[in-house]
Amino acid sequence: DIQMTQSPSSLPASLGDRVTITCRASQDIGNYLRWFQQKPGKSPRLMIYGATNLAAGVPSRFSGSRSGSDYSLTINSLESEDMAIYYCLQHNEYPPTFGSGTKLEIK
Amino acid sequence: QVQLKETGPGLVQPTQTLSITCTVSGFSLTSYYMQWVRQTPGKGLEWMGFIRSGGSTEYNSEFKSRLSISRDTSKNQVFLKMNSLKTEDTGVYYCARGHNNPFAYWGQGTLVTVSS
Repeated sequence: DIQMTQSPSSLPASLGDRVTITCRASQDIGNYLRWFQQKPGKSPRLMIYGATNLAAGVPSRFSGSRSGSDYSLTINSLESEDMAIYYCLQHNEYPPTFGSGTKLEIK
Repeated sequence: QVQLKETGPGLVQPTQTLSITCTVSGFSLTSYYMQWVRQTPGKGLEWMGFIRSGGSTEYNSEFKSRLSISRDTSKNQVFLKMNSLKTEDTGVYYCARGHNNPFAYWGQGTLVTVSS
């Protein structure tokens, strides 16, 4: 199975900050990488697909990028509603595998 | 609009069988794969398996021996059954839609507690 190593596990940040979360794939996954946001008691919400494409309704302060086997989610100008846990997912091959999550919290 | 909703038993005893129903609306099960994902304190988000639009299934080898996914297209329902439950199976179970655009739509999840 493809391992997705996500870092950091916790990210204290201030409102207005720019933050970056990273996932490293253990094998080539092309651009079959998605980012999800999950708030307490809610199901995951798709934020980024195809590594770099913004899902419908997602604010433009979110962006995704790729450098080799490293995939990043960046949030510019953090807002209070962005405080959540973020997960990456590879779906290049089955089984799809998730990262372990990054908890974004107010510093 | 697309909606998915899981219903489950809440509490299941160890060694017993878990049965969860995912009821969908706004699309046809004969046009989309349906996936099952669970979220446990021990392992986080785990893909469990899917049922294809044509009705065949694939399972994560982690669960293969005790997991079954089926559906009733006339009722717009997908079913998950998993036997030999252990306390480590405690978590939230989700159904989600898709294969070409996977996990764009999720149900609200149903919490399952395995305890005697």
